[in-house]
Amino acid sequence: EAQVTQNPRYLITVTGKKLTVTCSQNMNHEYMSWYRQDPGLGLRQIYYSMNVEVTDKGDVPEGYKVSRKEKRNFPLILESPSPNQTSLYFCASRLRGTETQYFGPGTRLLVL
Amino acid sequence: AQKITQTQPGMFVQEKEAVTLDCTYDTSDPSYGLFWYKQPSSGEMIFLIYQGSYDQQNATEGRYSLNFQKARKSANLVISASQLGDSAMYFCAMRGGTSYGKLTFGQGTILTVHP
Repeated sequence: EAQVTQNPRYLITVTGKKLTVTCSQNMNHEYMSWYRQDPGLGLRQIYYSMNVEVTDKGDVPEGYKVSRKEKRNFPLILESPSPNQTSLYFCASRLRGTETQYFGPGTRLLVL
Repeated sequence: AQKITQTQPGMFVQEKEAVTLDCTYDTSDPSYGLFWYKQPSSGEMIFLIYQGSYDQQNATEGRYSLNFQKARKSANLVISASQLGDSAMYFCAMRGGTSYGKLTFGQGTILTVHP
């Protein structure tokens, strides 16, 4: 089944403890993105990648890192999480030349 | 910089009636794309419809149509014959022409369909 998977789906952590949220797609998509969703703010793009080893900042990249070493994976790294990074995170992917973006199920993160 | 504005935090519609969800945008790119996504209470994001800035006709996908008015910079979503399952959060989004991977979303509109 064609899909975007994220792990974990739910995470509670403490301030300063490094964490990684994984994202994987099995559709051979070139484009991948990370978003965070906060009430009243909609979705805001954190980082995006247009292919392996090609990443760029979205609108809210501060406090986040990404890497794209393989086409299928696009992990989101929080080196030192803070409470203002408590949010719902979505990974998404898209095939180059098309407009339909496929979203993962979301990861709900709580930073205490 | 590109910006999307959805001014309706919530909308109500009677089942089987049509409803329009508003979206205005701002960009300096001559080429751009406009999208609508649906987010049901279960949380997943579902792509609904896409309109390219150079498309001559308004996009349609089943009961969804995008009312694209370029001069007014608006891209309203029209849902015809509303169904109870249409109750959800709806997001308008824009992709700029110069940065093909960048996508900007609006704040969203919660649609409630009454029986």
